[in-house]
Amino acid sequence: DADVTQTPRNRITKTGKRIMLECSQTKGHDRMYWYRQDPGLGLRLIYYSFDVKDINKGEISDGYSVSRQAQAKFSLSLESAIPNQTALYFCATSDNSDMDSPYEQYFGPGTRLTVT
Amino acid sequence: QQQVKQSPQSLIVQKGGISIINCAYENTAFDYFPWYQQFPGKGPALLIAIRPDVSEKKEGRFTISFNKSAKQFSLHIMDSQPGDSATYFCAASLSYSGYSTLTFGKGTMLLVSP
Repeated sequence: DADVTQTPRNRITKTGKRIMLECSQTKGHDRMYWYRQDPGLGLRLIYYSFDVKDINKGEISDGYSVSRQAQAKFSLSLESAIPNQTALYFCATSDNSDMDSPYEQYFGPGTRLTVT
Repeated sequence: QQQVKQSPQSLIVQKGGISIINCAYENTAFDYFPWYQQFPGKGPALLIAIRPDVSEKKEGRFTISFNKSAKQFSLHIMDSQPGDSATYFCAASLSYSGYSTLTFGKGTMLLVSP
């Protein structure tokens, strides 16, 4: 029973296609994040949302868009995929009311995206 | 602009040895420094974290050492075990108006040989 789920887990798509990656959480957290992971580059923040009406650009938002459909759902879209968007994508959540670990983020299992 | 620099990129340690991973930061406004552990095929998970008003934090075999004046912090894994083989990321949190985001280092792949 994963608290943070991502769909699909793997996806191969072609250049120019629109693709959506979805994230759902059952943790009841209000804060959600999208990261991409590339070998040797670590985790880089794409977008984040602190509540349903709040969307913020991260370090590398160009070429991406997001939608916060509900507190539990946060989707990442690539409007026109390009090969250098091939990466591992992670969704994460956090709860700033956790006084023991106010900044802890809980990650999903990731989506491996390949753009050919 | 890399705000959190992590080294080494990879590390091989013998079972029972000490693994040491180092990170450095520039922004003195960072207010929380976590380490995340990632196993292959999994998302990162919080391992241990420290606030800048503390110089050391220990949890089991894992210790964070924090040097505020040098703007450096490190993870020490004592008695390293093959099960510790994973990628480790340091991170730094920047808080503002009750919100916070994490900036991650590039990661260190640790292999503990049997």
